[in-house]
Amino acid sequence: IAGITQAPTSQILAAGRRMTLRCTQDMRHNAMYWYRQDLGLGLRLIHYSNTAGTTGKGEVPDGYSVSRANTDDFPLTLASAVPSQTSVYFCASSDTSGGATDTQYFGPGTRLTVL
Amino acid sequence: GQNIDQPTEMTATEGAIVQINCTYQTSGFNGLFWYQQHAGEAPTFLSYNVLDGLEEKGRFSSFLSRSKGYSYLLLKELQMKDSASYLCAVLDSNYQLIWGAGTKLIIKP
Repeated sequence: IAGITQAPTSQILAAGRRMTLRCTQDMRHNAMYWYRQDLGLGLRLIHYSNTAGTTGKGEVPDGYSVSRANTDDFPLTLASAVPSQTSVYFCASSDTSGGATDTQYFGPGTRLTVL
Repeated sequence: GQNIDQPTEMTATEGAIVQINCTYQTSGFNGLFWYQQHAGEAPTFLSYNVLDGLEEKGRFSSFLSRSKGYSYLLLKELQMKDSASYLCAVLDSNYQLIWGAGTKLIIKP
């Protein structure tokens, strides 16, 4: 693995189903983030984790949950998917030692469609 | 509230120069980032500014004026592969990145 990986690449999901999007990084970064990107709205932060064992809510956390059991993995779960959660989801990570090390590096994204 | 403003779309000609502006109002400031995002792909880091002035990196330069809440990304010698969206983002006082909606740059031959 080099950088950040996400799985699945894309998914079509029936409304009401539970879904977990996976994210793994091998850069030993402290912080990890989940964003959704919708046309015309830019990137919106869903949840973040500054270090393993801690998580926080972003701008649009409702309907989503995360966990950070270790440094490398940061899964995002939709407990009961709704059509408004149709979006492209990006996972990102950063070192957060200050300054330019706060640069976030992104995974390739998961395109999710909820019908 | 916090706000990042960028033009929605710009068009430029191959070989020319284009300047993409970004203005921001945020609670605190710990740096400004520019990212490039090609259609269907992830954003990739271009530049970081925390002090006033111009940072040059090959064909791309980024400028910051903290007193004016203003930045621009300058792309020189435009190539067709520069067709992409360019995202401006500010690191606020809580070290959260606040993102602009992005500027779609269309390059014409």
